[in-house]
Amino acid sequence: DQQVKQNSPSLSVQEGRISILNCDYTNSMFDYFLWYKKYPAEGPTFLISISSIKDKNEDGRFTVFLNKSAKHLSLHIVPSQPGDSAVYFCAATSGGSNYKLTFGKGTLLTVNP
Amino acid sequence: NAGVTQTPKFQVLKTGQSMTLQCAQDMNHEYMSWYRQDPGMGLRLIHYSVGAGITDQGEVPNGYNVSRSTTEDFPLRLLSAAPSQTSVYFCASSYWTGGKNEQFFGPGTRLTVL
Repeated sequence: DQQVKQNSPSLSVQEGRISILNCDYTNSMFDYFLWYKKYPAEGPTFLISISSIKDKNEDGRFTVFLNKSAKHLSLHIVPSQPGDSAVYFCAATSGGSNYKLTFGKGTLLTVNP
Repeated sequence: NAGVTQTPKFQVLKTGQSMTLQCAQDMNHEYMSWYRQDPGMGLRLIHYSVGAGITDQGEVPNGYNVSRSTTEDFPLRLLSAAPSQTSVYFCASSYWTGGKNEQFFGPGTRLTVL
């Protein structure tokens, strides 16, 4: 039973446009959500996070939106750059325990020049 | 700082062999975790530790042992390797104060069990 779902295996966008990656969760106990970026043959890199007490968190070109009632979060990248091409993982946890994460399957983002 | 280091980078084992995947961090993080990633899957938690001498099981702990004798090191032991343990293994260390979240993953160990 997948508790964190990323239903789009891949996404392709043009450089300069907005990339929107989506994530749904089923466990109501999750109260902290994170996004990771992963290049081939490397470990995941933390990108941005959001607590359930907020509905938006912004860091430069990256913004995460949380809709608790829909159990849905999204990552917006504006503007998208070719260097953003990577696999993006959504992860969730409860009690702020960032050492005990539940991951989605990931979305491969390709940004075309 | 070297961050999180993992050795070896690649390993091939025969069914039934045992081995230890090494993980070390130099950031004085109290939390460390082991995940595995299989093709088309997200990362799944194997074991984690919230401090020296304290470990607990994650989602997929069977066939693996861990220990945490120091803050820096968190080795993962495969007791009797099986083909189902063919995977990429990632170690992570983290620190969270409530106001600041910091987490780093190692580069991974690619394990093949024949």
